[in-house]
Amino acid sequence: DSGVTQTPKHLITATGQRVTLRCSPRSGDLSVYWYQQSLDQGLQFLIQYYNGEERAKGNILERFSAQQFPDLHSELNLSSLELGDSALYFCASNPAGGTDTQYFGPGTRLTVL
Amino acid sequence: AQSVTQLGSHVSVSEGALVLLRCNYSSSVPPYLFWYVQYPNQGLQLLLKYTSAATLVKGINGFEAEFKKSETSFHLTKPSAHMSDAAEYFCAVSPGRGAGSYQLTFGKGTKLSVIP
Repeated sequence: DSGVTQTPKHLITATGQRVTLRCSPRSGDLSVYWYQQSLDQGLQFLIQYYNGEERAKGNILERFSAQQFPDLHSELNLSSLELGDSALYFCASNPAGGTDTQYFGPGTRLTVL
Repeated sequence: AQSVTQLGSHVSVSEGALVLLRCNYSSSVPPYLFWYVQYPNQGLQLLLKYTSAATLVKGINGFEAEFKKSETSFHLTKPSAHMSDAAEYFCAVSPGRGAGSYQLTFGKGTKLSVIP
């Protein structure tokens, strides 16, 4: 158990819908990273937050957005969902957003029908 | 910019045999390198990491990896495979110190099967 929690574990929804994925980092970690794992694209970095502010952006679609709240939990919002958005979404955290090891949560499996 | 290439999307070894999973990287700055393991329906667990100290890095579960700058490689090895090693293994790179952000860039993964 890494100490990073993600909810829900599974999510099934329809095209065009909007969903929110939640991540709670390890106690004391200020930085949260979101990654997407799909069969065709592999594991890709989406976005990083540090202490409530966006730190870095990767291959994140405009239909996707994220935020980190004062209690340091983070939410990833996915809207206008397409079949191709079906994937595993991982959250990772580390203390300061630097070179420290990133600890991964168990992931949320999103299925878009 | 960083990139990672993992040679072989699927590797099969016999129980007790040597495990060798290959990883080559490309980085415009001195890299930090990582191996993660993913068991079915689980998240990613760190096996080991290289952060510019010793070039031979020992990790959990008997795995080790050697950083070879001249070959831009960071291959993962284990002398004797165990059935419990069956999983998918990911090599990842991030910029070393001095970069603004340290997100991981992953390879495509290598699925390891262990034959009894």
